[in-house]
Amino acid sequence: GAGVSQSPSNKVTEKGKDVELRCDPISGHTALYWYRQRLGQGLEFLIYFQGNSAPDKSGLPSDRFSAERTGESVSTLTIQRTQQEDSAVYLCASSVRQGTYEQYFGPGTRLTVT
Amino acid sequence: AQSVTQLGSHVSVSEGALVLLRCNYSSSVPPYLFWYVQYPNQGLQLLLKYTTGATLVKGINGFEAEFKKSETSFHLTKPSAHMSDAAEYFCAVIDSGTYKYIFGTGTRLKVLA
Repeated sequence: GAGVSQSPSNKVTEKGKDVELRCDPISGHTALYWYRQRLGQGLEFLIYFQGNSAPDKSGLPSDRFSAERTGESVSTLTIQRTQQEDSAVYLCASSVRQGTYEQYFGPGTRLTVT
Repeated sequence: AQSVTQLGSHVSVSEGALVLLRCNYSSSVPPYLFWYVQYPNQGLQLLLKYTTGATLVKGINGFEAEFKKSETSFHLTKPSAHMSDAAEYFCAVIDSGTYKYIFGTGTRLKVLA
C-alpha cells in the first residue's frame, strides 16, 4: 500500500536548464494535483488531471511550465529555462476521483535554481 | 471565489497548554474545510475535515476543529500540546468546481518545554 511518491526528492539546477519532476500517485487514483510551496508561503495550485486530461491548468505560472500524465498513472511536471523564482517545493497529490475531497500528498521535490 | 486566512504565521505554546490555530474562510457555497499538518521535510498529512454533518470534527493526534458558519471560522484546537505537535499547519477550503484545495499561508507551531 504505497502512498504518493515523488522523484527526485531534491534537485539543484542552474538557471536556464530544464527540469522534470515525477509523481507516482496511489494506484487507482484517477485525480492528480500539482502544487507549489515557496519558502514561507502556503501552497499554490498549479494543475490537476482527471485521468490523462487536464481540465484546469489555470495555476501554471507561465508557458515555461507544462505537465502531462500517461496511463492514468505517472505524471511529470516540466519546467523549461528555469529561473531562480522557480525555487520551491513541488507537491503532488492524488485522490480516488474528482469530487472525492480527500487528497493524499507526496513528500515533494525541493527544487533549487542557482 | 473561495479563500482562506490563517491568523498568525507563528504560534508558540508550552507543552501541556492549549493549542489554538485560527482559520477563517470565504466561500459563497457551503464549504468543505480541511486541516493538514506538515512535519519537516515531509508531505502534508490530513488532520481532519469537515464536509457535512456534525460541526465539531475530531481528527488524529487529539486535534479537533469546529465549523462555525456565523463566524466563517474553522479553528483547530488541542487541549494539551505535545512536543511532537511542532510542525506547520495548513487550513484549506476546497474549490467546489475543480476540487482543488485553496490553502492558507500556514501556521508554524512551536512547543516549548
